[in-house]
Amino acid sequence: DAGVTQSPTHLIKTRGQQVTLRCSPKSGHDTVSWYQQALGQGPQFIFQYYEEEERQRGNFPDRFSGHQFPNYSSELNVNALLLGDSALYLCASSKGGWVTEAFFGQGTRLTVV
Amino acid sequence: GENVEQHPSTLSVQEGDSAVIKCTYSDSASNYFPWYKQELGKRPQLIIDIRSNVGEKKDQRIAVTLNKTAKHFSLHITETQPEDSAVYFCAGTGGSYIPTFGRGTSLIVHP
Repeated sequence: DAGVTQSPTHLIKTRGQQVTLRCSPKSGHDTVSWYQQALGQGPQFIFQYYEEEERQRGNFPDRFSGHQFPNYSSELNVNALLLGDSALYLCASSKGGWVTEAFFGQGTRLTVV
Repeated sequence: GENVEQHPSTLSVQEGDSAVIKCTYSDSASNYFPWYKQELGKRPQLIIDIRSNVGEKKDQRIAVTLNKTAKHFSLHITETQPEDSAVYFCAGTGGSYIPTFGRGTSLIVHP
């Protein structure tokens, strides 16, 4: 049983560019949440997708957007990258639109230079 | 929104000792409190969770207690082993079901 998978694992982008990160949820899960984890900090909730819709959103600007596909996989897009967007981006999958019993992927390390 | 405070930031124990990590939360509507373990360079892993209708939950050497009145919950690890060394995060969901994580506790277990 494949767990939560994310791609790519590492990414280097230039300030002002745009980036797309991808997440495939654990088998049987239909809900994907995205988090940003800065070095030495806990994960911060960006948003959650369920039934192909953004259901909840944390305190992140509109430069952060996402999408969920019919197969429950999801993308996180960040526009107009800033140096401060450098972080580990984690996705977590769960069931039924809840955030309970969520399983994390290994993350994408984004570096903005 | 929810605010979760976690203490201590670093905890150093000898192998075999017990370790306790404490978290407080602000939103009385919070009803789900997971704990995650994150080893260096790896993904956070759910190790135990508790819902607001339960006061205590145990899984082998790990237990979590919840005091709704005081709005705090704690992780207890008994008979610590070197492989327990990691960063531990608590979280609360708040009434909006948006998970808020604490800043983490770095647990170091000395052999």
